[in-house]
Amino acid sequence: QQQVKQSPQSLIVQKGGISIINCAYENTAFDYFPWYQQFPGKGPALLIAIRPDVSEKKEGRFTISFNKSAKQFSLHIMDSQPGDSATYFCAATNDYKLSFGAGTTVTVRA
Amino acid sequence: SQTIHQWPATLVQPVGSPLSLECTVEGTSNPNLYWYRQAAGRGLQLLFYSVGIGQISSEVPQNLSASRPQDRQFILSSKKLLLSDSGFYLCAWSPGTGLLQPQHFGDGTRLSIL
Repeated sequence: QQQVKQSPQSLIVQKGGISIINCAYENTAFDYFPWYQQFPGKGPALLIAIRPDVSEKKEGRFTISFNKSAKQFSLHIMDSQPGDSATYFCAATNDYKLSFGAGTTVTVRA
Repeated sequence: SQTIHQWPATLVQPVGSPLSLECTVEGTSNPNLYWYRQAAGRGLQLLFYSVGIGQISSEVPQNLSASRPQDRQFILSSKKLLLSDSGFYLCAWSPGTGLLQPQHFGDGTRLSIL
């Protein structure tokens, strides 16, 4: 049973465009929401993370928006570049454990 | 700085053979350690986690086991591999102090069972 639902499964964006990935959860005990970026053959790398008492966090071209009442959060990739082509996972933490979304494969076309 | 090492990077094993995958973390003490499996094109499934030496919690009952013989060493084992054990196995660590800490992943082991 997937505790974190992620959409879309894949998306294609033109260079310079905006990529948007959405996630939703049910477990209100989740208290930390990281995003990971994974390239083929590599382990996921932490991209950006947010706590539920913050509504938005920005790091460079990556922004997390968090809506606690709706139990939803999203990743926006601004000015998408070909090097951003990867699989992105949202996740949520309860105690020591991470629950992952199923992943979104982002392809940025030059 | 902290680093995590996993080996081997790739492994091809026959059905019914044993398995031992090793993970070590450097540059930190008393980390939380995790084993995940990632099926092709899918998300990550937590298999085991450990918050201290000798402490192992299993998330999914299956053909695998884990051990933590030293503070920064985490081993994933099987006595007899099944075809369904094929996948990408990832080790991760997080700081042992404080709960709101991210996990950091190794580069994984690609396991193929023939």
